Amino acid sequence: DVKVTQSSRYLVKRTGEKVFLECVQDMDHENMFWYRQDPGLGLRLIYFSYDVKMKEKGDIPEGYSVSREKKERFSLILESASTNQTSMYLCASSSGLAGVFGPGTRLTVT
Amino acid sequence: RKEVEQDPGPFNVPEGATVAFNCTYSNSASQSFFWYRQDCRKEPKLLMSVYSSGNEDGRFTAQLNRASQYISLLIRDSKLSDSATYLCVVNTGSGNTGKLIFGQGTTLQVKP
Repeated sequence: DVKVTQSSRYLVKRTGEKVFLECVQDMDHENMFWYRQDPGLGLRLIYFSYDVKMKEKGDIPEGYSVSREKKERFSLILESASTNQTSMYLCASSSGLAGVFGPGTRLTVT
Repeated sequence: RKEVEQDPGPFNVPEGATVAFNCTYSNSASQSFFWYRQDCRKEPKLLMSVYSSGNEDGRFTAQLNRASQYISLLIRDSKLSDSATYLCVVNTGSGNTGKLIFGQGTTLQVKP
């Protein structure tokens, strides 16, 4: 069964900490995405990658960076977590058409 | 203006009703279109792709109007299990470098 996995379902971090969210897909997809989802705002694209070591900013990249060293893995990094980054983070991958999502990581920054 | 816009609802309908959702997109170069379903506290899952000629999957019908830049989803004979949030998705890329942009989602509540 093909899938996208995320390293944690729930995460609690303190303000100022560096946070790593990991995403792995086993479908050999070229494209990978990081979104955050907040009530009333829907899914907003943070970053996406269409190839290894390639990345493009989405709509809300401020405060985030990404890393894609291998095709199957796409990491989202919060350099210095802030309370306004408390959210549900969803990773997805696609071969160019529809995307498949991971289960999400609910991050709370206190 | 948002790239993909949907009426957030909620749409409250009785079982057996027919309900339709619309979605508009701003990028005329968009290549492909989808409807996703998201249940509470779950990740979005692909419901169906949307083709130019319109397509049907059981009780669900999706249509695309490129000239007016909108997409629709029609659900016939609504079931309680159809209660969810329906997300309109537009792929704004070309070839294999597609960027998936989501609408805010439309919430459907089907009542007995």
